[in-house]
Amino acid sequence: QVQLVQSGAEVKEPGASVKVSCKTSGYTFTAHFMHWVRQAPGQGLEWMGMLNPADGGAGHPQKFQGRVTMTRDTSTRTVYMELSSLTSEDTAVYYCTRESNSFDYWGQGTLVTVSS
Amino acid sequence: QAGLTQPPSVSKGLRQTATLTCTGNSNNVGDQGAAWLQQQQGHPPKLLSYRDHNRPSGISERLSASRSGNTASLTITGLQPEDEADYYCSAWDSSLSAWVFGGGTKLTVL
Repeated sequence: QVQLVQSGAEVKEPGASVKVSCKTSGYTFTAHFMHWVRQAPGQGLEWMGMLNPADGGAGHPQKFQGRVTMTRDTSTRTVYMELSSLTSEDTAVYYCTRESNSFDYWGQGTLVTVSS
Repeated sequence: QAGLTQPPSVSKGLRQTATLTCTGNSNNVGDQGAAWLQQQQGHPPKLLSYRDHNRPSGISERLSASRSGNTASLTITGLQPEDEADYYCSAWDSSLSAWVFGGGTKLTVL
């Protein structure tokens, strides 16, 4: 069965970077785009961008230009999202989610807390 | 980025019918159609429907989705306590080249 397993919670200081991983199994890794969506405490869902695991190509909204990097390791079927120059406004649960007829499978979420 | 518009909350009684709405524009909902997601407290979202009216396997037949123009709707019949959750719509926006979400609707089952 399809599984997306994310790395554990992180606490970072303002200005630091965080790298979240999402290990996949149960399907052809290169056949589906992977997206990252975040959710600040008590807030809604926010799309951060997408990665094509087949060729590593990525795209993200202007809001995250220059701050977000999405990569993958095909040998371990893992995708990564790195967010730099963290501020308190980046405190959120970060989800990876597979695209197949919208977002059909989700990771369990990774809480990133930005605090001094 | 511009998002989709959902009412913040809807309350209905047990076994009643709730209809949730999601309004976008001709670049997102009206063009590519919408998907609906359910999020229980403390859990990741779960896909309920995609491309306006398609239901993934395992999703209850009490849920049905539709679209009219730039507005998508999710109807839940025979409301049960487990239907109490946050519901989000999403769509690809071709003018933004971005996925957009609604702000979410909190459904309360009385």
